[in-house]
Amino acid sequence: DTAVSQTPKYLVTQMGNDKSIKCEQNLGHDTMYWYKQDSKKFLKIMFSYNNKELIINETVPNRFSPKSPDKAHLNLHINSLELGDSAVYFCASSQRGTGYEQYFGPGTRLTVT
Amino acid sequence: DAKTTQPPSMDCAEGRAANLPCNHSTISGNEYVYWYRQIHSQGPQYIIHGLKNNETNEMASLIITEDRKSSTLILPHATLRDTAVYYCIVRGNNNDMRFGAGTRLTVKP
Repeated sequence: DTAVSQTPKYLVTQMGNDKSIKCEQNLGHDTMYWYKQDSKKFLKIMFSYNNKELIINETVPNRFSPKSPDKAHLNLHINSLELGDSAVYFCASSQRGTGYEQYFGPGTRLTVT
Repeated sequence: DAKTTQPPSMDCAEGRAANLPCNHSTISGNEYVYWYRQIHSQGPQYIIHGLKNNETNEMASLIITEDRKSSTLILPHATLRDTAVYYCIVRGNNNDMRFGAGTRLTVKP
């Protein structure tokens, strides 16, 4: 009965490949997010989706594309992976609005070789 | 990028209260103060949030100064499992949460 789940937990791949990370939430939330935590441990928001609309898009490369097939899922697709993409990626969800907390998934550790 | 300032590290004795300070002098009237923590490399865990009034839940208390320029997270009886990085975040209308470097709290036996 995990609230926010991500797959896979670990992902090792080579430069130039295309990969996806899946995220699902069973909390009935209408907003989902992707964060990146780099080697320096800084957490930075990448995207958020509300009712299938992108409402935040930080200055991330267009090789990263969020895809939301329905309200409970927000997958992260990455094209042409680069060494600098190595990081831990966290998915989160919340109700819309600044007064609602975000619930985070366990993270996906991506290593690009 | 973050709108908050926190000490990089703090120690606390097990069983004692841990008081974690945060400065957010540029906070706007409609922005919330949120606290999260991250244990090892797990996903951040929500602790508490507030707008103007002090707040308390089963995990912690949040004390916000009257001018809202600073706040303190209080863990009333710290345990070894409370060792983590604690993030203070100011959250605005755009639903954005900008994490800073946080405070690494070490609870010692």
